[in-house]
Amino acid sequence: AQTVTQSQPEMSVQEAETVTLSCTYDTSESDYYLFWYKQPPSRQMILVIRQEAYKQQNATENRFSVNFQKAAKSFSLKISDSQLGDAAMYFCAYRSAGEFYFGTGTSLTVIP
Amino acid sequence: EPEVTQTPSHQVTQMGQEVILRCVPISNHLYFYWYRQILGQKVEFLVSFYNNEISEKSEIFDDQFSVERPDGSNFTLKIRSTKLEDSAMYFCASSEGRGRPLYGYTFGSGTRLTVV
Repeated sequence: AQTVTQSQPEMSVQEAETVTLSCTYDTSESDYYLFWYKQPPSRQMILVIRQEAYKQQNATENRFSVNFQKAAKSFSLKISDSQLGDAAMYFCAYRSAGEFYFGTGTSLTVIP
Repeated sequence: EPEVTQTPSHQVTQMGQEVILRCVPISNHLYFYWYRQILGQKVEFLVSFYNNEISEKSEIFDDQFSVERPDGSNFTLKIRSTKLEDSAMYFCASSEGRGRPLYGYTFGSGTRLTVV
């Protein structure tokens, strides 16, 4: 069964600094996709970044980048130049063919 | 950009009552999903729907739940007799396909269900 683990329930970062959120997953599939979703207080699920497992190059979206280690089944999110608007819950998610499997989330606080 | 629309954004219902949550998926999408997030917990898969039938469902999706696509545009989740523990945020999602193509999997903004 696919599982997604986020071992950091809470993280904090100073504004303009860099923070890394951890995620590990377990799967027997070889072809899958990994995602980071942001959930602000409004509770909408907002896609931050995605990675296809067959791609070796780490995905990057502006201030957001990932460190994808397929052999280690690790998929961490790095937020550079943190902004107050980055404060939210962040969910790591895995998808193979159909539904998503989500981690338990990391609550990120940005300190002014 | 196309959106998945969910209505209402917040619904309060009495325990034991039936509730229907509505979703309008993106028009060219073929696969539809419901997820649930109990406050403070992770998002959990409930059910997927394709070609007018359930393709997969989780253990959470018991006989109290049902889904249908009544008119070709709406996708609904019905809870027959709500319990207090059904209070959660319910997310609808739709996608172009399963697996590849990757893109196009979109979540709605959610319906917050409160059972009192």
